[in-house]
Amino acid sequence: GENVEQHPSTLSVQEGDSAVIKCTYSDSASNYFPWYKQELGKGPQLIIDIRSNVGEKKDQRIAVTLNKTAKHFSLHITETQPEDSAVYFCAASIKGSARQLTFGSGTQLTVLP
Amino acid sequence: DTEVTQTPKHLVMGMTNKKSLKCEQHMGHRAMYWYKQKAKKPPELMFVYSYEKLSINESVPSRFSPECPNSSLLNLHLHALQPEDSALYLCASSLQYTGAVNEKLFFGSGTQLSVL
Repeated sequence: GENVEQHPSTLSVQEGDSAVIKCTYSDSASNYFPWYKQELGKGPQLIIDIRSNVGEKKDQRIAVTLNKTAKHFSLHITETQPEDSAVYFCAASIKGSARQLTFGSGTQLTVLP
Repeated sequence: DTEVTQTPKHLVMGMTNKKSLKCEQHMGHRAMYWYKQKAKKPPELMFVYSYEKLSINESVPSRFSPECPNSSLLNLHLHALQPEDSALYLCASSLQYTGAVNEKLFFGSGTQLSVL
């Protein structure tokens, strides 16, 4: 089955700096890659997603890049703010798979004021 | 309305108790999910309902019993749980679950369950 590895497990940045979280996946049939943000005491919230026919997608301060050849994708957050502090999960999904998403292990991002 | 609402937010129960978790969405989604999440771990899929029928059971012990009374509601009935079942239980929904496309999942805030 699909295996998703996520790095780093913890990341601390100064407010205003950029943060990058990286994920690799094992199954070349994966074609959908969402990112979820989970704040303390809340459920995961979808913040951005990308499909395999696209190399990059941006939404304000958040961007995701996908390299299908290398089978990795990354989340980029620019101009970080304290409210960006949370656990971020990447995930991968194969169209037609009955198992929906395979999640990465998560990254605890802390933005220091 | 883009919310998945779960009640209760917190639940403490003994190993002999029977309790139920509830989930509701009004986005017209026809697929609903139960996930279990341990601290500092990603969510793990438990059950998937598609058009009110159980599509996936990820070999979950029978002390967890899901129910989908209608397209907007999802319940998880709990009985004779073990302390290791303590976790955050998340409900999610998506537009549909056909496998033909990748659907966006929307999660509720979860029920934090403690089994004593």
